[in-house]
Amino acid sequence: DAKTTQPPSMDCAEGRAANLPCNHSTISGNEYVYWYRQIHSQGPQYIIHGLKNNETNEMASLIITEDRKSSTLILPHATLRDTAVYYCIVRVGHSGYSTLTFGKGTMLLVSP
Amino acid sequence: EAGVVQSPRYKIIEKKQPVAFWCNPISGHNTLYWYLQNLGQGPELLIRYENEEAVDDSQLPKDRFSAERLKGVDSTLKIQPAELGDSAVYLCASSLDGAVGGEQYFGPGTRLTVT
Repeated sequence: DAKTTQPPSMDCAEGRAANLPCNHSTISGNEYVYWYRQIHSQGPQYIIHGLKNNETNEMASLIITEDRKSSTLILPHATLRDTAVYYCIVRVGHSGYSTLTFGKGTMLLVSP
Repeated sequence: EAGVVQSPRYKIIEKKQPVAFWCNPISGHNTLYWYLQNLGQGPELLIRYENEEAVDDSQLPKDRFSAERLKGVDSTLKIQPAELGDSAVYLCASSLDGAVGGEQYFGPGTRLTVT
């Protein structure tokens, strides 16, 4: 699976949008971009995934550049409960069979 | 729907002692994973099961670690003997074959401290 690069930490004010970047310049055509997050003392939680098109669900939006070399996870109205480590992962296919390879992620701190 | 259940949540043991962790996946999920997470790092896969078969155990240190998933449901991960460097969080996850997103659902983990 392709490697990803994320900033180690980011800050965001409560109620504002949090934009978390991820670089995956060596991504292959059959690799999907996944985002998970891990709140303190909990296991990772799936957020969203995409291949080429932008995606949105109840938790977040995923913007993937046209060349697919980078992406941005957007939390439109961050709350204190969004404070967590966010992992950007690229993986072949999207079945449960392919491995999730976690990096160190981005520690997002949402402040009042 | 109940999530992935793990027990115990915390375990403190002395080095050279054995320890075991238990995981009950989400009902109907036939793929089960064990991950190791060191402080400040992301989780690393130890072993993956498809039903009762271990299909990827390449990262499992087989000299001291063992795992089983009898009947393709619950799973147990064992360390014998434990070493100081085994102090970490052990996470269990499960997923549903063929699911469109292939998401993995994680339990809360077992935090192991070896003294």
